[in-house]
Amino acid sequence: DAKTTQPTSMDCAEGRAANLPCNHSTISGNEYVYWYRQIHSQGPQYIIHGLKNNETNEMASLIITEDRKSSTLILPHATLRDTAVYYCIVKSGNQFYFGTGTSLTVIP
Amino acid sequence: NAGVTQTPKFQVLKTGQSMTLQCAQDMNHNSMYWYRQDPGMGLRLIYYSASEGTTDKGEVPNGYNVSRLNKREFSLRLESAAPSQTSVYFCASSDLLGGEAFFGQGTRLTVV
Repeated sequence: DAKTTQPTSMDCAEGRAANLPCNHSTISGNEYVYWYRQIHSQGPQYIIHGLKNNETNEMASLIITEDRKSSTLILPHATLRDTAVYYCIVKSGNQFYFGTGTSLTVIP
Repeated sequence: NAGVTQTPKFQVLKTGQSMTLQCAQDMNHNSMYWYRQDPGMGLRLIYYSASEGTTDKGEVPNGYNVSRLNKREFSLRLESAAPSQTSVYFCASSDLLGGEAFFGQGTRLTVV
């Protein structure tokens, strides 16, 4: 089963881009990378997902390396409301494995 | 649209008591999931249901049972609660198995 490795915590200045890295070196060719975030103790919120091409939506961009062993979530202009735990997830079979995520703190 | 609704939001049980956590979604999703989250940890999958009438074990199924009552509802039952089951429980649903999942707001369960 593909698992992910993320830094435990990161800080980012308000208004700057937040770049959150994720390693998934055992990912298989047909497994997607998903990103979710969890604010306080609320239910996780979907952000974005991708297979091998870079993806962008209204919330973020996802950059996946060519060998697919790592990816980066980019929040282009971080706000205080982006302070949360960010989970990089590889869907393995029918299951999402969440890991412990990166705690992002956006600093005023 | 309410999305995914979980009841109750909070519950305190005594060791050995039983209870059922309820989850309902109004998005006509085929797949539903139950996760637990312990302090400082990510979410761990307990059980999931790919479609109405089917259920499968996740990472940590011991001590739990589930029922996919119909397409909308997926319940989680603790037959004999233990302190190790103190956790926050999240229900989720998705349109395609493993597709984008939508989560409820959680049930905070304490077993004393």
